[in-house]
Amino acid sequence: DAGVTQSPTHLIKTRGQQVTLRCSPKSGHDTVSWYQQALGQGPQFIFQYYEEEERQRGNFPDRFSGHQFPNYSSELNVNALLLGDSALYLCASSLRRLAGGRSSYNEQFFGPGTRLTVL
Amino acid sequence: DAKTTQPPSMDCAEGRAANLPCNHSTISGNEYVYWYRQIHSQGPQYIIHGLKNNETNEMASLIITEDRKSSTLILPHATLRDTAVYYCIVISNSGYALNFGKGTSLLVTP
Repeated sequence: DAGVTQSPTHLIKTRGQQVTLRCSPKSGHDTVSWYQQALGQGPQFIFQYYEEEERQRGNFPDRFSGHQFPNYSSELNVNALLLGDSALYLCASSLRRLAGGRSSYNEQFFGPGTRLTVL
Repeated sequence: DAKTTQPPSMDCAEGRAANLPCNHSTISGNEYVYWYRQIHSQGPQYIIHGLKNNETNEMASLIITEDRKSSTLILPHATLRDTAVYYCIVISNSGYALNFGKGTSLLVTP
């Protein structure tokens, strides 16, 4: 089991450019979440995808968008990059369980992250 | 989700038990306590979670007070590889977003 994989590992962009980050979830997982971690801070939730739809979103502008594919892999897109977007971007996968008709949370498995530097 | 409070840093000697406290005085009845850790330059790693009973797995033990307003993560025999930032997170069983906060930076020394 390869676990959660992310690509690329490092990326350098300039202000105003656009970037796409990719994530493959752990085998058997159907849900992908994205987090941004600035230097010295804890990860901040961006959004979560399940069944190819964005299900929940954190306090991030529309410049941040995503996509989930039928094989459960996911992309994070950031448009009009700002210097402040420099961070480690983490992908986490999990399995959404249905119990009594309600969704329940399961532990999330994180990838190693993509380090984005905006110059 | 309820807010958590953790000490910013702690030290522990190798081989000793590391006891990491967390306060979550506003926790609701349907909210779980989760612990994650993040070793430098890696993604966070799930450790353990619990609702009201104490829990133990191969990595750690989780002790939750009877009123559920605080908890302690115990690493029974800390090693140098346990040096990491430890995050205590409270989340409902239908929650999706982990609120990591600042965590506790644990340094295990030889």
